[in-house]
Amino acid sequence: GQNIDQPTEMTATEGAIVQINCTYQTSGFNGLFWYQQHAGEAPTFLSYNVLDGLEEKGRFSSFLSRSKGYSYLLLKELQMKDSASYLCAVRDANSGNTPLVFGKGTRLSVIA
Amino acid sequence: NAGVTQTPKFRILKIGQSMTLQCAQDMNHNYMYWYRQDPGMGLKLIYYSVGAGITDKGEVPNGYNVSRSTTEDFPLRLELAAPSQTSVYFCASSYKREGAYGYTFGSGTRLTVV
Repeated sequence: GQNIDQPTEMTATEGAIVQINCTYQTSGFNGLFWYQQHAGEAPTFLSYNVLDGLEEKGRFSSFLSRSKGYSYLLLKELQMKDSASYLCAVRDANSGNTPLVFGKGTRLSVIA
Repeated sequence: NAGVTQTPKFRILKIGQSMTLQCAQDMNHNYMYWYRQDPGMGLKLIYYSVGAGITDKGEVPNGYNVSRSTTEDFPLRLELAAPSQTSVYFCASSYKREGAYGYTFGSGTRLTVV
C-alpha cells in the first residue's frame, strides 16, 4: 500500500525558518513533489526531488532521503503570504501509470 | 495560455440530480486527472487518463464516470448525486508521468449536494 504522513498544522513567526516533514511508504519510488495551496485556491508546484539531497529554490528548499522514506520542505525568511497548506506527493514507480499520491497536507500559519 | 480551465466554479445539486464538471487544457498534455479534496483529507484520485480514448480508475471512482474523446477535454460525470459527493473537485494535467513534470491544476469546482 501507500502511506504519506505529514503534520496537520504548524505555526511559525514572520522572518523565521520552518521545516515541514513528510514520511512515505510506497512499494516503489520515482519522485517526490511539494505543492503549496492557499485557502480556496488550487495547489501550485513548488519542488521536485528524485535523488537524495537538497534542492534549493530561493527561500524554499526540499530535501530527500530515499533510504529513510523521508523528505522535508524548508521555508526561510517566512512571510505572511507563506501562510498556506503544503502538500507532499509521491510517485510510486511500481504502480504503472498510477498518478501522484498526496499526503493530507500541513497547514502553516505565519504570525507576526 | 489559459492552462487548465474548470467550469463551473460553484454548484449546488439536489440529491439524485446529475451534472458534468468540465475540464479543458490547452497545453497539449497527454495526462489528465480528477481529484477531490475534502477538509483535512488531502487530494484523492477519482479517475485519470493517459491519452485520448484511455481512462482508468483511481482510489475513489464510485459514483463518477469520465470520458476522454480529445486530448484537450476530460469531463467528470456525476450520475446520481449524493451528500457524500460534497467536495472540492480539481482537474489537473501533466506533460509526462516521469521526471520533474508537476501537475498544473485547474481552479477547482466547489460542489454541494443537499
